[in-house]
Amino acid sequence: GAGVSQSPSNKVTEKGKDVELRCDPISGHTALYWYRQSLGQGLEFLIYFQGNSAPDKSGLPSDRFSAERTGGSVSTLTIQRTQQEDSAVYLCASSALGGLAVGKQFFGPGTRLTVL
Amino acid sequence: GESVGLHLPTLSVQEGDNSIINCAYSNSASDYFIWYKQESGKGPQFIIDIRSNMDKRQGQRVTVLLNKTVKHLSLQIAATQPGDSAVYFCAEMNDMRFGAGTRLTVKP
Repeated sequence: GAGVSQSPSNKVTEKGKDVELRCDPISGHTALYWYRQSLGQGLEFLIYFQGNSAPDKSGLPSDRFSAERTGGSVSTLTIQRTQQEDSAVYLCASSALGGLAVGKQFFGPGTRLTVL
Repeated sequence: GESVGLHLPTLSVQEGDNSIINCAYSNSASDYFIWYKQESGKGPQFIIDIRSNMDKRQGQRVTVLLNKTVKHLSLQIAATQPGDSAVYFCAEMNDMRFGAGTRLTVKP
């Protein structure tokens, strides 16, 4: 596609439920990044994929968070047993070049997660 | 600890004026920075980047200045337009740290 897409755009869930967020990066981009953006806060780095592997998972807030990427393309971020503090906008970005400090990152529109 | 932040949370300017948005960082080893623009309900949009081997970089109507001595970064927008209204934030890409942002409002 022309840009990074994310689905759903909005997700409302009940506390304790699991949610799955999807990211479709720009075709051919090898690197994929997940971030969390809480109201009034800066982006919080969660995880980074180079191809299908995740060399840096240091940003995942807890073991309730996991992510995978298959075929070097689509990625899913899963949050198990959601808590109210998980409410935020989850942003995905991709870049043509790998590494954390190389290449422009192109962001998707985000998924707004609300945990009731 | 290390941090990336902004001096001002909001900035209001008149259309046609120049805007300057500031960012401070504390990791002296940082060598790659990006400025992003984020409009309401949208993902961040890359504006301009700069590496530490440069002091200044210019784009279309935007200029980024890097002062490594005082660990300060600024974004200058020339002839600000209503379409420039958004939140602007800097990112220190070595540590993947992002400022909370400055909300720029352009008055017609």
